Amino acid sequence: QQQVKQSPQSLIVQKGGIPIINCAYENTAFDYFPWYQQFPGKGPALLIAIRPDVSEKKEGRFTISFNKSAKQFSLHIMDSQPGDSATYFCAASIRDDKIIFGKGTRLHILP
Amino acid sequence: DAGITQSPRHKVTETGTPVTLRCHQTENHRYMYWYRQDPGHGLRLIHYSYGVKDTDKGEVSDGYSVSRSKTEDFLLTLESATSSQTSVYFCAITPGGYGYTFGSGTRLTVV
Repeated sequence: QQQVKQSPQSLIVQKGGIPIINCAYENTAFDYFPWYQQFPGKGPALLIAIRPDVSEKKEGRFTISFNKSAKQFSLHIMDSQPGDSATYFCAASIRDDKIIFGKGTRLHILP
Repeated sequence: DAGITQSPRHKVTETGTPVTLRCHQTENHRYMYWYRQDPGHGLRLIHYSYGVKDTDKGEVSDGYSVSRSKTEDFLLTLESATSSQTSVYFCAITPGGYGYTFGSGTRLTVV
Protein backbone atom coordinates (compact mmCIF):
# COMPACT_ATOMS: atom_id res chain seq x y z
CA GLN A 1 0.00 0.00 0.00
CA GLN A 2 2.98 2.25 0.41
CA GLN A 3 4.15 1.78 -3.18
CA VAL A 4 4.07 4.29 -5.98
CA LYS A 5 4.11 2.62 -9.39
CA GLN A 6 5.65 4.63 -12.22
CA SER A 7 5.64 4.04 -15.97
CA PRO A 8 7.23 3.92 -18.44
CA GLN A 9 10.77 3.06 -17.36
CA SER A 10 12.18 4.97 -20.30
CA LEU A 11 10.79 7.30 -22.93
CA ILE A 12 12.13 8.84 -26.12
CA VAL A 13 10.34 11.83 -27.63
CA GLN A 14 11.08 14.20 -30.48
CA LYS A 15 11.76 17.83 -29.63
CA GLY A 16 8.47 19.69 -29.35
CA GLY A 17 6.55 16.55 -28.43
CA ILE A 18 4.64 16.01 -25.16
CA PRO A 19 6.11 13.23 -23.04
CA ILE A 20 3.71 11.82 -20.46
CA ILE A 21 4.82 9.92 -17.37
CA ASN A 22 2.23 8.09 -15.30
CA CYS A 23 2.07 7.10 -11.65
CA ALA A 24 -0.40 5.15 -9.54
CA TYR A 25 -0.78 4.70 -5.82
CA GLU A 26 -2.90 2.67 -3.41
CA ASN A 27 -2.78 4.52 -0.10
CA THR A 28 -5.62 7.05 -0.05
CA ALA A 29 -4.01 8.77 2.93
CA PHE A 30 -1.31 10.26 0.68
CA ASP A 31 -1.85 14.01 0.53
CA TYR A 32 1.18 15.32 -1.30
CA PHE A 33 2.40 14.26 -4.74
CA PRO A 34 5.70 15.78 -5.91
CA TRP A 35 7.72 15.21 -9.05
CA TYR A 36 11.50 15.32 -8.97
CA GLN A 37 13.88 15.86 -11.88
CA GLN A 38 17.40 14.44 -11.83
CA PHE A 39 20.26 15.19 -14.21
CA PRO A 40 23.27 12.84 -14.45
CA GLY A 41 25.67 13.25 -11.55
CA LYS A 42 23.23 15.41 -9.58
CA GLY A 43 20.74 14.88 -6.82
CA PRO A 44 17.01 14.94 -7.57
CA ALA A 45 15.41 18.39 -7.47
CA LEU A 46 11.79 19.23 -6.78
CA LEU A 47 10.08 20.12 -10.06
CA ILE A 48 6.40 20.51 -9.27
CA ALA A 49 3.94 19.15 -6.70
CA ILE A 50 0.19 18.80 -6.25
CA ARG A 51 -2.29 18.19 -3.45
CA PRO A 52 -5.29 15.87 -4.00
CA ASP A 53 -7.82 18.69 -3.74
CA VAL A 54 -6.97 19.94 -7.25
CA SER A 55 -7.07 18.09 -10.58
CA GLU A 56 -4.34 19.97 -12.40
CA LYS A 57 -1.34 22.17 -11.71
CA LYS A 58 0.84 23.98 -14.23
CA GLU A 59 4.27 25.50 -13.78
CA GLY A 60 5.74 26.72 -17.02
CA ARG A 61 5.86 23.83 -19.48
CA PHE A 62 5.25 21.23 -16.78
CA THR A 63 1.74 20.07 -15.86
CA ILE A 64 0.54 17.56 -13.29
CA SER A 65 -2.83 15.94 -13.91
CA PHE A 66 -4.39 14.28 -10.87
CA ASN A 67 -7.25 11.76 -10.83
CA LYS A 68 -8.20 11.11 -7.23
CA SER A 69 -10.87 8.49 -7.95
CA ALA A 70 -8.48 6.45 -10.11
CA LYS A 71 -5.57 7.06 -7.71
CA GLN A 72 -3.39 8.13 -10.60
CA PHE A 73 -1.38 11.19 -11.50
CA SER A 74 0.78 12.11 -14.44
CA LEU A 75 3.40 14.59 -15.59
CA HIS A 76 3.14 16.25 -19.00
CA ILE A 77 5.96 18.30 -20.50
CA MET A 78 4.77 20.73 -23.17
CA ASP A 79 7.01 21.72 -26.08
CA SER A 80 9.75 19.39 -24.79
CA GLN A 81 13.36 20.38 -25.31
CA PRO A 82 16.64 18.41 -25.32
CA GLY A 83 17.48 20.12 -22.01
CA ASP A 84 14.51 18.30 -20.46
CA SER A 85 16.35 15.00 -20.91
CA ALA A 86 16.67 13.64 -17.38
CA THR A 87 15.30 11.05 -15.01
CA TYR A 88 11.93 11.91 -13.50
CA PHE A 89 10.57 10.51 -10.24
CA CYS A 90 7.02 10.71 -9.02
CA ALA A 91 6.46 10.45 -5.30
CA ALA A 92 3.86 10.58 -2.55
CA SER A 93 3.74 11.26 1.16
CA ILE A 94 1.40 11.77 4.09
CA ARG A 95 1.79 15.18 5.71
CA ASP A 96 5.40 15.50 6.85
CA ASP A 97 6.15 11.79 6.84
CA LYS A 98 8.83 10.31 4.62
CA ILE A 99 8.34 10.51 0.86
CA ILE A 100 7.84 7.30 -1.14
CA PHE A 101 9.35 7.44 -4.62
CA GLY A 102 8.48 5.69 -7.87
CA LYS A 103 11.26 3.86 -9.66
CA GLY A 104 11.90 6.64 -12.13
CA THR A 105 11.55 7.32 -15.86
CA ARG A 106 14.56 8.07 -18.04
CA LEU A 107 13.43 10.66 -20.58
CA HIS A 108 15.40 11.45 -23.72
CA ILE A 109 14.32 14.31 -25.99
CA LEU A 110 15.71 14.02 -29.50
CA PRO A 111 16.95 17.27 -31.07
CA ASP B 1 23.30 22.00 -3.65
CA ALA B 2 22.75 25.02 -1.48
CA GLY B 3 22.73 24.24 2.23
CA ILE B 4 23.52 20.54 2.02
CA THR B 5 26.87 18.86 1.44
CA GLN B 6 27.75 15.20 1.14
CA SER B 7 31.22 13.78 1.61
CA PRO B 8 33.03 12.08 0.12
CA ARG B 9 31.68 12.43 -3.43
CA HIS B 10 33.31 9.20 -4.53
CA LYS B 11 34.73 6.28 -2.58
CA VAL B 12 36.10 2.85 -3.41
CA THR B 13 36.43 0.45 -0.52
CA GLU B 14 37.10 -3.21 0.04
CA THR B 15 34.56 -5.80 1.13
CA GLY B 16 34.40 -6.10 4.90
CA THR B 17 35.70 -2.65 5.73
CA PRO B 18 33.63 -0.06 7.63
CA VAL B 19 32.62 3.07 5.70
CA THR B 20 31.08 6.31 6.94
CA LEU B 21 29.34 8.81 4.71
CA ARG B 22 28.62 12.31 5.93
CA CYS B 23 25.75 14.67 5.28
CA HIS B 24 26.15 18.24 6.47
CA GLN B 25 23.46 20.92 6.33
CA THR B 26 23.53 24.62 7.08
CA GLU B 27 19.73 25.08 6.97
CA ASN B 28 19.03 24.00 10.56
CA HIS B 29 16.33 21.66 9.23
CA ARG B 30 14.88 19.14 11.60
CA TYR B 31 14.44 16.25 9.18
CA MET B 32 17.26 14.39 7.43
CA TYR B 33 17.14 11.26 5.28
CA TRP B 34 19.51 8.79 3.66
CA TYR B 35 18.48 7.15 0.37
CA ARG B 36 20.26 4.82 -1.98
CA GLN B 37 19.70 4.89 -5.74
CA ASP B 38 20.11 1.82 -7.89
CA PRO B 39 19.07 1.16 -11.50
CA GLY B 40 15.58 -0.31 -11.62
CA HIS B 41 14.90 0.44 -7.97
CA GLY B 42 14.68 4.21 -7.87
CA LEU B 43 15.29 5.88 -4.52
CA ARG B 44 14.96 3.68 -1.46
CA LEU B 45 14.98 4.99 2.09
CA ILE B 46 17.71 3.63 4.34
CA HIS B 47 17.37 5.63 7.58
CA TYR B 48 15.94 8.95 8.62
CA SER B 49 16.12 11.38 11.52
CA TYR B 50 13.51 13.66 13.04
CA GLY B 51 16.03 15.43 15.28
CA VAL B 52 19.21 15.07 17.28
CA LYS B 53 19.59 11.47 18.49
CA ASP B 54 16.15 10.66 17.02
CA THR B 55 16.55 8.19 14.16
CA ASP B 56 14.55 5.39 12.62
CA LYS B 57 14.83 2.69 9.98
CA GLY B 58 13.66 2.87 6.40
CA GLU B 59 12.84 0.06 3.99
CA VAL B 60 16.45 -1.05 3.29
CA SER B 61 18.21 -0.50 6.62
CA ASP B 62 19.94 -3.89 7.00
CA GLY B 63 23.73 -3.45 7.10
CA TYR B 64 23.51 0.28 7.79
CA SER B 65 23.52 2.41 10.92
CA VAL B 66 23.18 6.16 11.42
CA SER B 67 23.99 8.77 13.99
CA ARG B 68 22.93 12.34 14.50
CA SER B 69 24.67 14.04 17.42
CA LYS B 70 24.24 17.56 16.00
CA THR B 71 21.42 19.12 14.00
CA GLU B 72 23.72 19.78 11.07
CA ASP B 73 25.31 16.34 10.65
CA PHE B 74 23.78 12.98 9.74
CA LEU B 75 26.23 10.11 9.37
CA LEU B 76 25.58 6.85 7.53
CA THR B 77 27.82 3.91 8.44
CA LEU B 78 28.24 0.64 6.62
CA GLU B 79 29.55 -1.57 9.40
CA SER B 80 31.10 -4.14 7.05
CA ALA B 81 30.73 -3.16 3.41
CA THR B 82 29.45 -5.73 0.91
CA SER B 83 29.30 -5.62 -2.89
CA SER B 84 25.50 -5.29 -2.69
CA GLN B 85 26.03 -1.91 -1.04
CA THR B 86 27.69 -0.51 -4.16
CA SER B 87 25.34 2.33 -4.97
CA VAL B 88 24.84 6.07 -5.11
CA TYR B 89 23.83 7.45 -1.74
CA PHE B 90 21.79 10.63 -1.36
CA CYS B 91 21.08 12.67 1.70
CA ALA B 92 17.95 14.83 1.82
CA ILE B 93 16.71 17.49 4.21
CA THR B 94 13.43 19.21 4.88
CA PRO B 95 12.23 21.63 7.54
CA GLY B 96 9.12 19.51 7.88
CA GLY B 97 5.96 19.68 5.91
CA TYR B 98 6.68 18.93 2.30
CA GLY B 99 9.49 18.85 -0.24
CA TYR B 100 13.02 17.59 0.09
CA THR B 101 16.32 19.20 -0.86
CA PHE B 102 18.82 16.55 -1.94
CA GLY B 103 22.60 16.59 -1.77
CA SER B 104 24.76 15.82 -4.80
CA GLY B 105 25.30 12.22 -3.78
CA THR B 106 28.15 9.87 -2.87
CA ARG B 107 29.09 7.18 -5.36
CA LEU B 108 30.31 4.18 -3.35
CA THR B 109 31.97 1.18 -4.94
CA VAL B 110 32.68 -1.91 -2.83
CA VAL B 111 35.24 -4.23 -4.43
